[in-house]
Amino acid sequence: EAGVAQSPRYKIIEKRQSVAFWCNPISGHATLYWYQQILGQGPKLLIQFQNNGVVDDSQLPKDRFSAERLKGVDSTLKIQPAKLEDSAVYLCASSGTSGLRGYEQYFGPGTRLTVT
Amino acid sequence: DQQVKQNSPSLSVQEGRISILNCDYTNSMFDYFLWYKKYPAEGPTFLISISSIKDKNEDGRFTVFLNKSAKHLSLHIVPSQPGDSAVYFCALIGGGTSYGKLTFGQGTILTVHP
Repeated sequence: EAGVAQSPRYKIIEKRQSVAFWCNPISGHATLYWYQQILGQGPKLLIQFQNNGVVDDSQLPKDRFSAERLKGVDSTLKIQPAKLEDSAVYLCASSGTSGLRGYEQYFGPGTRLTVT
Repeated sequence: DQQVKQNSPSLSVQEGRISILNCDYTNSMFDYFLWYKKYPAEGPTFLISISSIKDKNEDGRFTVFLNKSAKHLSLHIVPSQPGDSAVYFCALIGGGTSYGKLTFGQGTILTVHP
C-alpha cells in the first residue's frame, strides 16, 4: 500500500513569510496527525484530526499556525507569519481506528523547514 | 515538563552484540507503549509495541520490556546489525490525553559497528 505522502520535502523562507505543507494519508486512515520535530527532540503533536474534525489542537500555536483537513482526506498545515523558532521538521502521520492497530501511526518523510 | 525521557542520547554497539535502549516515564496513566525507528531524511517507522497489561513482547530480534512499577521501558535488539543504526524513539499513549496521541521521548542514536 502507498505510504503517507508529504510535500514539499524542503522549504527555506525568511521570518515573517508564510508557508504551507501538504499531506496525503494512507487510504482509508481516518486519523491524521501533524507533528513538529525540532532538532535533538522527539516529535511533538501539533494537531490531530478524526476524519475532518479536530480531536486535539492543544499544542498548536493558533496565533500563527492553522491546519485543515477538507473532506477527511488530505490536509494542509500553514504557518503565517513564520518565526525563527519554527525551523523544524514537520511530520504528518495517519492511523486506522480498528482495535490496538489504531495506535500504530504511519509517518510521512516530513518537510524540513528552515526560517532565516 | 518532560513526561517521557530517553536519558542516553547515543549508544554504540558492536555487530552481533545486544543493544539495550531505555525509556523512563512519569505519568502512570500511560497504557500503551511503542518504539519507533527513524533513518535520516525519513519519517519514523513503527517497530514494536506493548500494552500495559503485559511485561514483555517479542518480535524476532526485537524485545520490549515494561516495568510499570519503575515506570521504565526498554528495547533489546539481539543480535545487533549495522542496518539497525538509526534513531530510536519511545512513544507512549494515554496519560490522560486524547485517543491515539503519542508522547515521544527525545530519541537515542544507535550506531552498530561491523
